[in-house]
Amino acid sequence: GEDVEQSLFLSVREGDSSVINCTYTDSSSTYLYWYKQEPGAGLQLLTYIFSNMDMKQDQRLTVLLNKKDKHLSLRIADTQTGDSAIYFCAETYGGYQKVTFGTGTKLQVIP
Amino acid sequence: DVKVTQSSRYLVKRTGEKVFLECVQDMDHENMFWYRQDPGLGLRLIYFSYDVKMKEKGDIPEGYSVSREKKERFSLILESASTNQTSMYLCASTTGYEQYFGPGTRLTVT
Repeated sequence: GEDVEQSLFLSVREGDSSVINCTYTDSSSTYLYWYKQEPGAGLQLLTYIFSNMDMKQDQRLTVLLNKKDKHLSLRIADTQTGDSAIYFCAETYGGYQKVTFGTGTKLQVIP
Repeated sequence: DVKVTQSSRYLVKRTGEKVFLECVQDMDHENMFWYRQDPGLGLRLIYFSYDVKMKEKGDIPEGYSVSREKKERFSLILESASTNQTSMYLCASTTGYEQYFGPGTRLTVT
């Protein structure tokens, strides 16, 4: 698969905004995703964006896509302790709906 | 709700043992995937299947094989387990843009 890079850790205070960043390499990706993994669980799709969009907002979540720089970000407004999890950036590649995942960013929310 | 189940949450095996990890999905999805998840490395694709009896190697297939005899079931086989296969194994299925994941199997090889 292609390379998808993220920072490994982010720590924020409850109520602040969190911004998780990701860079990807495949400019032909159709979809770019953010998945969330809570402790002891599998991954769950949080949100996604089509490659022809620049921004998508869904309640407290805002996804920004900069295709020129191949940069994707996830902003969580009013971060809560329940948002503590690992967040994975991912992009489609090849066929058969294959996806490349980033290394994951562990978000720690301090009360 | 889509459900993807994996046969075990935790498994401890000895070096050299043959290990079977099973995954079942209930949504008639065509594509199924096996990943391993290691800290700092994210998820890496081991094998995937796009139809019954059809399989393709992913990025790290060495030491693994798979079987898909029925559409709902995708098995990962470690022919001779080794300590470097200690990991979290995640199964997923999809028929569209979203991959649905099972809860994972944490395998320890001693």
